[in-house]
Amino acid sequence: KQEVTQIPAALSVPEGENLVLNCSFTDSAIYNLQWFRQDPGKGLTSLLLIQSSQREQTSGRLNASLDKSSGRSTLYIAASQPGDSATYLCAAYYGGSQGNLIFGKGTKLSVKP
Amino acid sequence: DAGITQSPRHKVTETGTPVTLRCHQTENHRYMYWYRQDPGHGLRLIHYSYGVKDTDKGEVSDGYSVSRSKTEDFLLTLESATSSQTSVYFCAISLAIYNEQFFGPGTRLTVL
Repeated sequence: KQEVTQIPAALSVPEGENLVLNCSFTDSAIYNLQWFRQDPGKGLTSLLLIQSSQREQTSGRLNASLDKSSGRSTLYIAASQPGDSATYLCAAYYGGSQGNLIFGKGTKLSVKP
Repeated sequence: DAGITQSPRHKVTETGTPVTLRCHQTENHRYMYWYRQDPGHGLRLIHYSYGVKDTDKGEVSDGYSVSRSKTEDFLLTLESATSSQTSVYFCAISLAIYNEQFFGPGTRLTVL
């Protein structure tokens, strides 16, 4: 069964800390992996899409890596700020005609001032 | 932000009534998706569309139907709403299969 797991479910850090969010997936035959953030009561905002041929992707203070052989992706957030507080979701594209994303349940990040 | 709107944003209805949710995009993306988000389950695909009049089922399609008569609009219908369909519904779009997906703001549906 295709599954995406995010551990821990919640994380609290002091402002300014560099942090890593983890995502693991079954079946190394994924196409792409996408990271999102979701603020309470809001929709999902796309952060980064990593193609299966890539090992990492960067956007501002965010860096996402992908290791298909180990079934892991990480989202690195540099110099965290209170505005980074949100739930972070990773989702994997597996093969098949649907092209839908299989989502993890997310990591709720709280950055304390 | 991608031009995706959902209507209504909130709805309360009674068991057994039909409900239609609308997703409208201004991006001319080919693929459109309906997901539901529930505590403990995360986001799950209900139905998706890969073009006008081309739709297919997702993981949790029972009790739902969809239609897409124009590129920009994707409708989700609950033929006879049940309490188990109380959820937050998200529409998403992508230019092509396996491309980056962009999500709408969501519709919170409560079935009493």
